Amino acid sequence: GDSVTQMEGPVTLSEEAFLTINCTYTATGYPSLFWYVQYPGEGLQLLLKATKADDKGSNKGFEATYRKETTSFHLEKGSVQVSDSAVYFCALRGNAGNMLTFGGGTRLMVKP
Amino acid sequence: GAGVSQSPSNKVTEKGKDVELRCDPISGHTALYWYRQRLGQGLEFLIYFQGNSAPDKSGLPSDRFSAERTGESVSTLTIQRTQQEDSAVYLCASSLEFPRAFEAFFGQGTRLTVV
Repeated sequence: GDSVTQMEGPVTLSEEAFLTINCTYTATGYPSLFWYVQYPGEGLQLLLKATKADDKGSNKGFEATYRKETTSFHLEKGSVQVSDSAVYFCALRGNAGNMLTFGGGTRLMVKP
Repeated sequence: GAGVSQSPSNKVTEKGKDVELRCDPISGHTALYWYRQRLGQGLEFLIYFQGNSAPDKSGLPSDRFSAERTGESVSTLTIQRTQQEDSAVYLCASSLEFPRAFEAFFGQGTRLTVV
């Protein structure tokens, strides 16, 4: 079945540092890929998405590129802020239907 | 409402009691998902509905867990004879049917504490 693997946290960075959170997946065909974010005390919300190979999703300074050849969807941000501290989840939706599969989540802590 | 609504937001129950968790999806969303998130952990898939049917129940942890959906709308997750390990946040999400749209929208969750 489908699966998503993302780097374990916590990831601790200083403000304005460069962020990468790795995400790889296993799925048949061409799934859609997502990053969700969960801020402290809040629910999950969609951060960005990509629906086909080579698409780049972007939002709030975050970017991720759908790489079919490496089955990856790494999340990047050039300069993190304290307010980016949250748990980030990589997810996929298989093209065979509606199943939505999540990775284990990566906690990011940004220090001033 | 405009978003996914879950109730109650918090539930404290005694071990051995039954609980019902409710999810009101976004109107028109045919796909509905239930996940469990234990403290500090990732999302554990429980079940999803396509309309009123559940093509995949493989994530339900035991036969104490059941879920139903009616009118392609409200869904109820029932946990019978609750155990302390059932303590978690139960998250509901809904989406339009593939391939019309791709992202799922989440509710705020129900925090269940079994004492």
